Amino acid sequence: DAKTTQPTSMDCAEGRAANLPCNHSTISGNEYVYWYRQIHSQGPQYIIHGLKNNETNEMASLIITEDRKSSTLILPHATLRDTAVYYCIVRVNRDDKIIFGKGTRLHILP
Amino acid sequence: AAGVIQSPRHLIKEKRETATLKCYPIPRHDTVYWYQQGPGQDPQFLISFYEKMQSDKGSIPDRFSAQQFSDYHSELNMSSLELGDSALYFCASSLIQGRTEAFFGQGTRLTVV
Repeated sequence: DAKTTQPTSMDCAEGRAANLPCNHSTISGNEYVYWYRQIHSQGPQYIIHGLKNNETNEMASLIITEDRKSSTLILPHATLRDTAVYYCIVRVNRDDKIIFGKGTRLHILP
Repeated sequence: AAGVIQSPRHLIKEKRETATLKCYPIPRHDTVYWYQQGPGQDPQFLISFYEKMQSDKGSIPDRFSAQQFSDYHSELNMSSLELGDSALYFCASSLIQGRTEAFFGQGTRLTVV
């Protein structure tokens, strides 16, 4: 059973913020939210992860709701190179295998 | 920085042949994961190793086997190849006791004809 639900696809204008939602209503207290992306036929790339608090790194920000049932990945200034499939993954800890769901295909429009 | 190295990058085999894919993890990483991604599909977990022992198993066919060697590199052996085995095969590595995430290689594209 899928642990996460994401939109199939989204469009975003270049230079604007891309906000990718993810629902994980059955998340357990010890499960982290991870985001990976896969640019066409390349190896998946780690973006960010969080448990309860919002997180930010050089690539993106992760906003997790207080009840932890959903989250949003924010790419602050999307570029054409951000066109990819984005996967939201719930994972017990960073040692556990990564199970990919369907992901969101993000198209950055020039 | 060193990344996960996979070889070969491309491989063409005939049905019923055997293929061996190799994965060289990031130095000091002790865990290796293998994934299969068919055309238009999402990556599917096959198998993982920690400290040279199998740590988890996913949807890996019985015709496939894998191992992790003393230098931590891993090999995925695929026998009696079928047309449906044509896919991208990714390897990822992580440091299980550390603070690193899983980092993926660029994959091996296997085509079975």
